[in-house]
Amino acid sequence: DGGITQSPKYLFRKEGQNVTLSCEQNLNHDAMYWYRQDPGQGLRLIYYSQIVNDFQKGDIAEGYSVSREKKESFPLTVTSAQKNPTAFYLCASSSTGFSSGGYTFGSGTRLTVV
Amino acid sequence: QKEVEQNSGPLSVPEGAIASLNCTYSDRGSQSFFWYRQYSGKSPELIMFIYSNGDKEDGRFTAQLNKASQYVSLLIRDSQPSDSATYLCAVSKGSNYQLIWGAGTKLIIKP
Repeated sequence: DGGITQSPKYLFRKEGQNVTLSCEQNLNHDAMYWYRQDPGQGLRLIYYSQIVNDFQKGDIAEGYSVSREKKESFPLTVTSAQKNPTAFYLCASSSTGFSSGGYTFGSGTRLTVV
Repeated sequence: QKEVEQNSGPLSVPEGAIASLNCTYSDRGSQSFFWYRQYSGKSPELIMFIYSNGDKEDGRFTAQLNKASQYVSLLIRDSQPSDSATYLCAVSKGSNYQLIWGAGTKLIIKP
């Protein structure tokens, strides 16, 4: 079945540590996105990519980095520069045509600073 | 003014009644409209999408779009406790595939 796989489901980060969240899709979607969601809040866009080897900053990119070396993969690194990284991280993908049918989401990664 | 606005709720509805969720948007050029459901601790899942003015029905769900008034709504008939969730409205950036998200409305169905 086609879908998006995020791993790990839970992640614990120590102070000053970089961590990488994985996102893989087999939907043949060109566009991929990373969102952050804090408790009781909406989705905030971190980064998005419309094509391989290209990506753009979203509204809250500071302290995060991404890469898009393959169409299927869009990993997110939470760097030590991100001072408050505890949140629920969601990866999504979509096609890029009109009537694209919306976004498909992965199951999310819950990151906690310890 | 936010680009996509929703009442944060919570909206409390008795079981079996109709739940009505509303969303307004600011971009008159928006062409695609989506409703997602998000259970606590889970990722959003697509319920309905609508592109044309009027109503679109799918089972107990009806999406309504009024482009002149720039609002889109979701009706849930015969509400069930399992419908209790946060409902996110998403609107396209003009004719672009990228979506702008509302903050969501929390719906509680009381048995």
